[in-house]
Amino acid sequence: SQKIEQNSEALNIQEGKTATLTCNYTNYSPAYLQWYRQDPGRGPVFLLLIRENEKEKRKERLKVTFDTTLKQSLFHITASQPADSATYLCALELTGGGNKLTFGTGTQLKVEL
Amino acid sequence: NAGVTQTPKFQVLKTGQSMTLQCAQDMNHEYMSWYRQDPGMGLRLIHYSVGAGITDQGEVPNGYNVSRSTTEDFPLRLLSAAPSQTSVYFCATGTKQGRADTQYFGPGTRLTVL
Repeated sequence: SQKIEQNSEALNIQEGKTATLTCNYTNYSPAYLQWYRQDPGRGPVFLLLIRENEKEKRKERLKVTFDTTLKQSLFHITASQPADSATYLCALELTGGGNKLTFGTGTQLKVEL
Repeated sequence: NAGVTQTPKFQVLKTGQSMTLQCAQDMNHEYMSWYRQDPGMGLRLIHYSVGAGITDQGEVPNGYNVSRSTTEDFPLRLLSAAPSQTSVYFCATGTKQGRADTQYFGPGTRLTVL
């Protein structure tokens, strides 16, 4: 069956360091992968989308990589700040689905002073 | 622009009651969807619509109905509430016609079924 896995354990890092979050998937051949940020009590907010033919995508302090051979995406936040503390979700379009996104359970990031 | 709005923010129901969760958008997006979010389960797709008059089932459709009579509105109906439907419900819109692509989420409705 199709499955998306994100580390369920919270990631704690110090301010200024680079945070790296992982999204692994099985039995998918996604055309693209997305990353979202979710703060407590709020809806997810779109951050980045990377397509299957792109190895890397950047936006300000954010960087996403997409390895379709390893079936893995890495999400990096450089020079992390306490304001980056949130839960980060990855999402994939279901194979052949066209209109349906499947989300991972998310990884909570805590950036400490 | 308000973006995606959801009402109510909070709701408590008794088992067997019915209710409608409202979702409205002013972004003229074709694609709209409903998700529920439960601890440890992530977001799960309930129903979605690629345009007015067109709806389809997602991963967990049982116990829920939807309709899409206008581009702006996509209400979610709980026919006979059950405790298993206690969850946070999010409505989302998509930017591209007929495709999920980037999604814009509403603030959510927290539903408790006793």
